[in-house]
Amino acid sequence: QLQLQESGPGLVKPSETLSLTCTVSGGSISSSSYYWGWIRQPPGKGLEWIGSIYYSGSTYYNPSLKSRVTISVDTSKNQFSLKLSSVTAADTAVYYCARRAVAGLGHWFDPWGQGTLVTVSS
Amino acid sequence: QSALTQPASVSGSPGQSITISCTGTSSDVGSYNLVSWYQQHPGKAPKLMIYEGSKRPSGVSNRFSGSKSGNTASLTISGLQAEDEADYYCCSYAGSSTSFGGGTKLTVL
Repeated sequence: QLQLQESGPGLVKPSETLSLTCTVSGGSISSSSYYWGWIRQPPGKGLEWIGSIYYSGSTYYNPSLKSRVTISVDTSKNQFSLKLSSVTAADTAVYYCARRAVAGLGHWFDPWGQGTLVTVSS
Repeated sequence: QSALTQPASVSGSPGQSITISCTGTSSDVGSYNLVSWYQQHPGKAPKLMIYEGSKRPSGVSNRFSGSKSGNTASLTISGLQAEDEADYYCCSYAGSSTSFGGGTKLTVL
């Protein structure tokens, strides 16, 4: 059974870079059928797609965050990572990683990691 | 890229049916049959309930169904149960991007 687990600091200072890693277990990240995505949810608010990456390294980013976001993949470790620079309090959220089917297979997100709360505060 | 539009809240009594709408544009919902729906209980990760507009993953109750007309997708829950009380989000493929709806809180009265 495929599982995803987010890890990284729960507290980041304003203007610094938020860094999270998602570890995939129970399956290979190098599948041609899936992308791997990051989604966030500010407290009490809705879901926001951050971006997605293919095992080859091809990426798609939310235009509203593109200038600050970098998503990378390490197939040897079965992990992918998120970096969000110049963070402010508005970036405080629960960050989820999830597997995303390619468009030809339906473009759905499943499974999801349990999520990790990142707070931006000095 | 704009968020898809969902009603903030809907409610229904046990046994009744409710429908949640998800309105996008000709660049996302209207152009692709790639709308998915997610259920989220408080403090939990979202769960996939419907994909490709109307398909149910294995294990999801057949009380959940989806449809699409033009730029609007819909999720219908029939035979409402207390456990259906949750937030629901739609999501659509938009070419090189992905859009989520703002979410709808379902209250079972």
